[in-house]
Amino acid sequence: ETGVTQTPRHLVMGMTNKKSLKCEQHLGHNAMYWYKQSAKKPLELMFVYNFKEQTENNSVPSRFSPECPNSSHLFLHLHTLQPEDSALYLCASSQDLGGSGRPYEQYFGPGTRLTVT
Amino acid sequence: GQNIDQPTEMTATEGAIVQINCTYQTSGFNGLFWYQQHAGEAPTFLSYNVLDGLEEKGRFSSFLSRSKGYSYLLLKELQMKDSASYLCAVSPSKDSSYKLIFGSGTRLLVRP
Repeated sequence: ETGVTQTPRHLVMGMTNKKSLKCEQHLGHNAMYWYKQSAKKPLELMFVYNFKEQTENNSVPSRFSPECPNSSHLFLHLHTLQPEDSALYLCASSQDLGGSGRPYEQYFGPGTRLTVT
Repeated sequence: GQNIDQPTEMTATEGAIVQINCTYQTSGFNGLFWYQQHAGEAPTFLSYNVLDGLEEKGRFSSFLSRSKGYSYLLLKELQMKDSASYLCAVSPSKDSSYKLIFGSGTRLLVRP
């Protein structure tokens, strides 16, 4: 248990569906992240929020829409996805984005396994 | 470009020692992380190295050589529960230290 929870753990959706992924952290952190993990590929950073403000959008298609209502909750809204979007979506949090010193450890949730049919 | 290389898979025997290597070519260097990820679970933090040398933490040790762009994770007295993927990640920039570049991970299988 890392203090970061994600729901649902598994999701199957059609290309015309709309669904949302939820992440909650119980660590008192201020920064939250969405990553995509595809089979045999490195983790890809998608979005970063710090103190509820989006600080990073790593050229993610608009069919993925993040939302961060407070520092403890992060959502990823999905619509009109493509089969190649099937992957494990990981949420992470850290104390904040760090300064010019050591980067803070990122604490990951267990992920949502998404399958787009 | 940014590149992290790790072996895809490794197999070792329970009770043995295994070394998982990671080489990196990045625009800068602000530290290297190792994470462990069991199948279907969250990646969990193992170690962070920013200075050259070996850091030991129980059965796990991590080594860094910045001049060679090289790190390894050493696992001693292997246990079956060590079967997992091990992710190497580099923070290339102090200005955006949270932007980690990950390798594809090394899947370790520990056999009895």
